[in-house]
Amino acid sequence: AQKVTQAQTEISVVEKEDVTLDCVYETRDTTYYLFWYKQPPSGELVFLIRRNSFDEQNEISGRYSWNFQKSTSSFNFTITASQVVDSAVYFCALSEAGQETSGSRLTFGEGTQLTVNP
Amino acid sequence: EADIYQTPRYLVIGTGKKITLECSQTMGHDKMYWYQQDPGMELHLIHYSYGVNSTEKGDLSSESTVSRIRTEHFPLTLESARPSHTSQYLCASSEGLGRGPQHFGDGTRLSIL
Repeated sequence: AQKVTQAQTEISVVEKEDVTLDCVYETRDTTYYLFWYKQPPSGELVFLIRRNSFDEQNEISGRYSWNFQKSTSSFNFTITASQVVDSAVYFCALSEAGQETSGSRLTFGEGTQLTVNP
Repeated sequence: EADIYQTPRYLVIGTGKKITLECSQTMGHDKMYWYQQDPGMELHLIHYSYGVNSTEKGDLSSESTVSRIRTEHFPLTLESARPSHTSQYLCASSEGLGRGPQHFGDGTRLSIL
């Protein structure tokens, strides 16, 4: 069975601080996919990034960066120079490769509520 | 921007009413999902479908039912709403195997009085 753990329930920072959201996962598959989603107060889920298990290269997109480490089963998310608009709940998720006829389902972590104060 | 739509956005209704939450996507995705989420909490998969005429129950037991008669449409129905059904319901779709990200609608915030 797969599992995703986001140990930080809530994080509060002051604007312009850097913040890292932790994500640890468990899976028996060798092929899997990791995701981060953002859920602002309006409630919709916004897809941020997908990573496959064979690509451990870190990724940077503007102020966002992701650190994928298979050795520690972690997929951490860092926001540099945080802004008030970054305030949201962030979910890490895992999907195993699955079969063509049945596909695969996302397992979500419990989410981290990030509050960025002015 | 993903093209997946949920209606209504908000619904406040009395106990015992029959409710249908609509979800449509225009991306031609085979796979669709319904999640239930209490505010700020984790998402729980309640139903999913891998194609037309395919529906399965998810990880969280739900009294709701779903149907998938057309690829683009995946409605969720509650035959008799109760206060315990008060929650946010999120619909999603994806293509391919697990590698495809799930794209979410804006959600329906349901409140049963």
